[in-house]
Amino acid sequence: DSGVTQTPKHLITATGQRVTLRCSPRSGDLSVYWYQQSLDQGLQFLIQYYNGEERAKGNILERFSAQQFPDLHSELNLSSLELGDSALYFCASSVGASRADTQYFGPGTRLTVL
Amino acid sequence: QKEVEQDPGPLSVPEGAIVSLNCTYSNSAFQYFMWYRQYSRKGPELLMYTYSSGNKEDGRFTAQVDKSSKYISLFIRDSQPSDSATYLCAMRPNFGNEKLTFGTGTRLTIIP
Repeated sequence: DSGVTQTPKHLITATGQRVTLRCSPRSGDLSVYWYQQSLDQGLQFLIQYYNGEERAKGNILERFSAQQFPDLHSELNLSSLELGDSALYFCASSVGASRADTQYFGPGTRLTVL
Repeated sequence: QKEVEQDPGPLSVPEGAIVSLNCTYSNSAFQYFMWYRQYSRKGPELLMYTYSSGNKEDGRFTAQVDKSSKYISLFIRDSQPSDSATYLCAMRPNFGNEKLTFGTGTRLTIIP
């Protein structure tokens, strides 16, 4: 168990809808990262937050947004969902601000868009 | 062309065999190389971490980096059924806050 928790485990929704994925980092970790994993693209970095501030942005669509709250948990909001958004979404956390720090991954949220 | 290429497998080997997993990459700036193991329905977990070229050994696992060929390998000796998982390579440059670039993963099954 990495110490990173994610909810929900599974999410099934329809195209056009909006969902929120939640992540709690390991105790003491200040950085939270969001990744999308699909079969053909592998793990794609979406965004990083460090101590409540956006630190780095990857291949995140404009329909997606994230935030990190004062208690350091993070939420990833996905809106106007499309079939292609079906994937596993992972949250990871690390101690510091650098992406060179070891990242610990949560168990993921499986999103299915019908 | 992807920056990191990894044979998706699946790869099935008998218990006790030596397993070789590989990745190639195109970005010569990559300096840090990692291998993650991902069990079914779980998140990736860091298995091995190496910097620049050379070998690193940890128990039954050996990571090799050949920067001249832009090729990295993970060897598993005396493979066990518990090694059955998807193995992802990941790498990043040695500057700035650059992201990890992952391979797509190789699914490995060890047959008892």
